[in-house]
Amino acid sequence: DTAVSQTPKYLVTQMGNDKSIKCEQNLGHDTMYWYKQDSKKFLKIMFSYNNKELIINETVPNRFSPKSPDKAHLNLHINSLELGDSAVYFCASSLAWGSYEQYFGPGTRLTVT
Amino acid sequence: KNEVEQSPQNLTAQEGEFITINCSYSVGISALHWLQQHPGGGIVSLFMLSSGKKKHGRLIATINIQEKHSSLHITASHPRDSAVYICAVEGYGGATNKLIFGTGTLLAVQP
Repeated sequence: DTAVSQTPKYLVTQMGNDKSIKCEQNLGHDTMYWYKQDSKKFLKIMFSYNNKELIINETVPNRFSPKSPDKAHLNLHINSLELGDSAVYFCASSLAWGSYEQYFGPGTRLTVT
Repeated sequence: KNEVEQSPQNLTAQEGEFITINCSYSVGISALHWLQQHPGGGIVSLFMLSSGKKKHGRLIATINIQEKHSSLHITASHPRDSAVYICAVEGYGGATNKLIFGTGTLLAVQP
């Protein structure tokens, strides 16, 4: 039973396209996150949601739009993809807002050509 | 300069050796996390701590809040410990839940 799952695992697309990455957690957690890991393997937070409400939006271009239809899901939609969007995107969840251990999904490797 | 610095960046050890990875940070924090990223890319949380010391199996994490420093120790290292170890901190108030990551330490344990 996968705790935090992401689909797809790999995504190859052309510049200018629009794509979505889906994330689901079955842990009953209230808080979910999106992280970007760049080509140098550096991780940076993009968004955080708590109880479906956007709490953290970390200077991400507005081409990126997260959506949380319910507490178990946090999807990431990206418009007008650019070469620089190529990265690995990780979804994560934690029990609640506050300092809790985070559980990560397997990552989605996005390649923009 | 990053708010979270790790050392060393790369570490090669022989199986059985005692390993220490260091993390220094420059901001006030509510908690510090140690993460492990496997060669296949998956990320696993090892520890979250805000004071003192935690132990899980062969892994030990310590933190000194006054000195803004944390260490991750691996005793009796094994090739399966080969991975990237990442330190991350989270601040107070509006910075809670916002992890700031170090650049990671790439550990290779040779048999």
